[in-house]
Amino acid sequence: QVQLVQSGSELKKPGASVKVSCKASGYTFTNYAMNWVRQAPGQGLEWMGWINTDTGNPTYAQGFTGRFVFSLDTSVSTTYLQISSLKAEDTAVYFCARTNIATAVNDYWGQGTLVTVSS
Amino acid sequence: EIVLTQSPGTLSLSAGERATLSCRASQSVSSDYLAWYQQKPGQAPRLLIYGASSRATGIPDRFSGSGSGTDFTLTISRLEPEDFAVYYCQQYSSSRTFGQGTKVEIK
Repeated sequence: QVQLVQSGSELKKPGASVKVSCKASGYTFTNYAMNWVRQAPGQGLEWMGWINTDTGNPTYAQGFTGRFVFSLDTSVSTTYLQISSLKAEDTAVYFCARTNIATAVNDYWGQGTLVTVSS
Repeated sequence: EIVLTQSPGTLSLSAGERATLSCRASQSVSSDYLAWYQQKPGQAPRLLIYGASSRATGIPDRFSGSGSGTDFTLTISRLEPEDFAVYYCQQYSSSRTFGQGTKVEIK
């Protein structure tokens, strides 16, 4: 069965960097794009962008350029989200979500990774 | 960017009642690329509806989606206790954006 398993919670200081992973299983990794979605505490969902898992080409939504980097390692079916120069407002749960190749919808989601930025 | 506006912000209903949630887009959503998700506290969103009206695998038939263009609706015909949650619409025809969510709470 399809599973997306994300890395555990992180506590970081302002100015530091963090790398969140999302390991896929149960399907051919390079056939489905991967998206990243942010959810700040008590807030709604915010689409951050996506990465083509076949070419590695990332696309970032407005507001997520510069400090945010999507990458992948096809040998372990894993995509990564790296955030640099962390700020308090980056505190959020970050989700990965697969794009279904037939319907284009985000059908499977990781469990989420809480990143807390605090001094 | 297509902006999605959901209404109402909160819906207070009892189990067994009908819930009607609205999602309005700032411009037409082509190919009816509109989805609905359910999210419970501490959980990831769960896909309910895609293509405006197609139920995802395993979703009960009390959930239905309708609409086209700029106006979309999610209907829950008879609320079950497990349906009290936050619901988001998402368009995926032009990049991707989410609505701000509708909370369905127990009255």
